[in-house]
Amino acid sequence: AQSVSQHNHHVILSEAASLELGCNYSYGGTVNLFWYVQYPGQHLQLLLKYFSGDPLVKGIKGFEAEFIKSKFSFNLRKPSVQWSDTAEYFCAVGGNNRLAFGKGNQVVVIP
Amino acid sequence: SAVISQKPSRDICQRGTSLTIQCQVDSQVTMMFWYRQQPGQSLTLIATANQGSEATYESGFVIDKFPISRPNLTFSTLTVSNMSPEDSSIYLCSAIDYRVEGYTFGSGTRLTVV
Repeated sequence: AQSVSQHNHHVILSEAASLELGCNYSYGGTVNLFWYVQYPGQHLQLLLKYFSGDPLVKGIKGFEAEFIKSKFSFNLRKPSVQWSDTAEYFCAVGGNNRLAFGKGNQVVVIP
Repeated sequence: SAVISQKPSRDICQRGTSLTIQCQVDSQVTMMFWYRQQPGQSLTLIATANQGSEATYESGFVIDKFPISRPNLTFSTLTVSNMSPEDSSIYLCSAIDYRVEGYTFGSGTRLTVV
């Protein structure tokens, strides 16, 4: 079964700062990788995904993630965050018709 | 993408009772999933529900405690039976949405057992 590790559960940063959230996974098969975002009071939304091809994936709201196969990583980045990016971010690994989630990163952006 | 409506959004229940959570998808989906998110924890898959067959439960979850129904391709229910305070969690349903090549989630049910 697949597993996912996310570090630095709580992240606090100022507007315009850059954000990078780490995600490492373990899975023996072909993986599909996802980042989900959950804004306060809202449901989980797909931020971006990687299935194959270009390892640098661009998602919504200026987010991007890079798949590095040799490092089993799928880190999320945004060059300049806004207050509205305050949310919880989950990395997830799909395989064998099931999705495994990391523990999430609670990101707070201070205006 | 598919839209999933989940209800109730929250409930406070007495220990020993049961709660049934409903999940309605606005399009037909083959596979639906039920997750639990305990306070401060990640989402944990409870079971996979396919229409026309019994749900497949993950390790640590059993049908007697979490019976699931999947009567058609747009609807599923999860019952949390004989509840205890340890069952206090957020419960989410999900479905594979091939239009976005990802998984879509309901808004969750926040359950508190007292």
